[in-house]
Amino acid sequence: LAKTTQPISMDSYEGQEVNITCSHNNIATNDYITWYQQFPSQGPRFIIQGYKTKVTNEVASLFIPADRKSSTLSLPRVSLSDTAVYYCLVGDSRDDKIIFGKGTRLHILP
Amino acid sequence: ETGVTQSPTHLIKTRGQQVTLRCSSQSGHNTVSWYQQALGQGPQFIFQYYREEENGRGNFPPRFSGLQFPNYSSELNVNALELDDSALYLCASSFGTGILANYGYTFGSGTRLTVV
Repeated sequence: LAKTTQPISMDSYEGQEVNITCSHNNIATNDYITWYQQFPSQGPRFIIQGYKTKVTNEVASLFIPADRKSSTLSLPRVSLSDTAVYYCLVGDSRDDKIIFGKGTRLHILP
Repeated sequence: ETGVTQSPTHLIKTRGQQVTLRCSSQSGHNTVSWYQQALGQGPQFIFQYYREEENGRGNFPPRFSGLQFPNYSSELNVNALELDDSALYLCASSFGTGILANYGYTFGSGTRLTVV
């Protein structure tokens, strides 16, 4: 059973900021939140990982509120090449399984 | 640094046959995981290997088995192939300490298996 809930799909336009929210109501104290991006016929690519507050890297930001029951992946100024499926994962090193949900299909329009 | 490489890229097998898929880990990584991804679905975790031993398994039957070699490369073996085994099989490597969920995995591009 997936630990996370994400929108099935989203559309946006080039140059816009895109925010994808993931719900994880049952997140445990030791769980980290990780996001992956997947293009068709390729393996998922690690984007960002965080535990609390805000994490930023060269491609995205991850916002995590204090209760950690949700998280938001923020992609600044998207381009057509950001069209992909985005997966949110929650877990820690004591899990014996790694569960991907169905992800969010992001479609960027010109 | 080299990434994760998988072979072959595509494969067609007949129902009832056996198949072996191969994966070379990213340099410096010691942990390998395998996933099955059906069309339109997220990857499903099959199992993970650390130091040549399986240390985590998803909901897959025993006909799915694997190996990890001293150089950290890995094989996925599937016996008695069924039509539903048709999928993209992904390998991912990471640097871990033997327990799951070091979530900074590097994935390969996968092997597309078609069972007819």
